[in-house]
Amino acid sequence: QVQLQESGPGLVKPSQTLSLTCTVSGGSISSGNYYWSWIRQPPGKGLEWIGYIDYSGTAYYYPSLKSRVTISVDTSKNQFSLMLSSVTAADAAVYYCARVREAYTNPRFDYWGQGTLVTVSS
Amino acid sequence: QSVLTQPPSVSGAPGQRVTISCTGSSSNIGAGYDVFWYQQLPGTAPKLLIDGNSNRPSGVPDRFSGSKSATSASLAISGLQAEDEADYHCQSYDSRLRAVVFGGGTKLTVL
Repeated sequence: QVQLQESGPGLVKPSQTLSLTCTVSGGSISSGNYYWSWIRQPPGKGLEWIGYIDYSGTAYYYPSLKSRVTISVDTSKNQFSLMLSSVTAADAAVYYCARVREAYTNPRFDYWGQGTLVTVSS
Repeated sequence: QSVLTQPPSVSGAPGQRVTISCTGSSSNIGAGYDVFWYQQLPGTAPKLLIDGNSNRPSGVPDRFSGSKSATSASLAISGLQAEDEADYHCQSYDSRLRAVVFGGGTKLTVL
């Protein structure tokens, strides 16, 4: 059973960079059959896809966030990470990591982490 | 503003049937991309509820069903139970944005 766990600071100052890591257990990121994604949910709102990456480092991002987002992978630690620069209050959300199936045809998220709340405040 | 449009809320009494709509456009659902549904119980992460328009992953009761037509999709829940009270999200892929897209989510209240 694949499990994902987010970790990172719960509080980030405006204009700074948000940094989160997702640790995968019960399966290898290097298996090659999946992509690995970040999704966020502002309080009381819907889900927003941020981007996803495969084991080789090939990444795709949501267009409106692309200039501020970097997703990276560390196969030796079975982890992938999110960096979001120049954060504002609009970036406050629960951030989820998830596994992506069939990323090239019909991407869907079959395993999710529990989520981590990030607050943006000085 | 979400790319896929869902009603903010629906409600029904125990035992009743409710449907939740998800409306897209010619660049996502209408382009032939599959629709997926997620159930998000209060305070928890979303869970894949309907895979590939109408397929139920293992463990999902057959009270839940999905369908897709033209530029929209629907989730139907029959025999409503109190534990079905949750937020439901639809998801697809958009070829114009080259991005995964979600609906705004629908809150189901069991009366």
